[in-house]
Amino acid sequence: ETGVTQSPTHLIKTRGQQVTLRCSSQSGHNTVSWYQQALGQGPQFIFQYYREEENGRGNFPPRFSGLQFPNYSSELNVNALELDDSALYLCASSLPGLRAETQYFGPGTRLLVL
Amino acid sequence: GENVEQHPSTLSVQEGDSAVIKCTYSDSASNYFPWYKQELGKRPQLIIDIRSNVGEKKDQRIAVTLNKTAKHFSLHITETQPEDSAVYFCAAMSDNFNKFYFGSGTKLNVKP
Repeated sequence: ETGVTQSPTHLIKTRGQQVTLRCSSQSGHNTVSWYQQALGQGPQFIFQYYREEENGRGNFPPRFSGLQFPNYSSELNVNALELDDSALYLCASSLPGLRAETQYFGPGTRLLVL
Repeated sequence: GENVEQHPSTLSVQEGDSAVIKCTYSDSASNYFPWYKQELGKRPQLIIDIRSNVGEKKDQRIAVTLNKTAKHFSLHITETQPEDSAVYFCAAMSDNFNKFYFGSGTKLNVKP
């Protein structure tokens, strides 16, 4: 098992609310990526953070935002929740250097929006 | 942006047979292609990867092939075992290492 952790494991929210999900990257990993995985689908890339800056973004609206902290942990914030936001949210961290592209996934946070 | 397509969506094989999963991608600048295995309720686990300067890579019963000209890559599992049953995802990474695109997944069922 990798050292990437996420909290909470499960969450139930209602439409219009806001949610914050957290990710602690594996020790020494300075890059964190976030993904949304709907049931029966592949992970969809939301964005990536490198050294506290957004380093790349997928096709998600601005109400999906993030932060990375000096210890490389990260948050995903989603405002104005919609029913379609119900999904498993995965974060993945990666090593600096030659193997920077190899990602190690956390266990995910399952979000249900009612 | 990149578009990764994966086939088949489900695959059922008899134990001991081989399984092949295929993916295509659209962005010729993509240069890294990992494969992940995801068991029910668990996180995706990297099982093998290949870079664009290599045509084939093998790790025991698992191999991946890449055809850059045709923009497709495949996962080959030989001598399948029931514990290989899972959902497999292919992915492509952009050339600046900051965007990943996953296929829609293949549910592999290995029948004992």
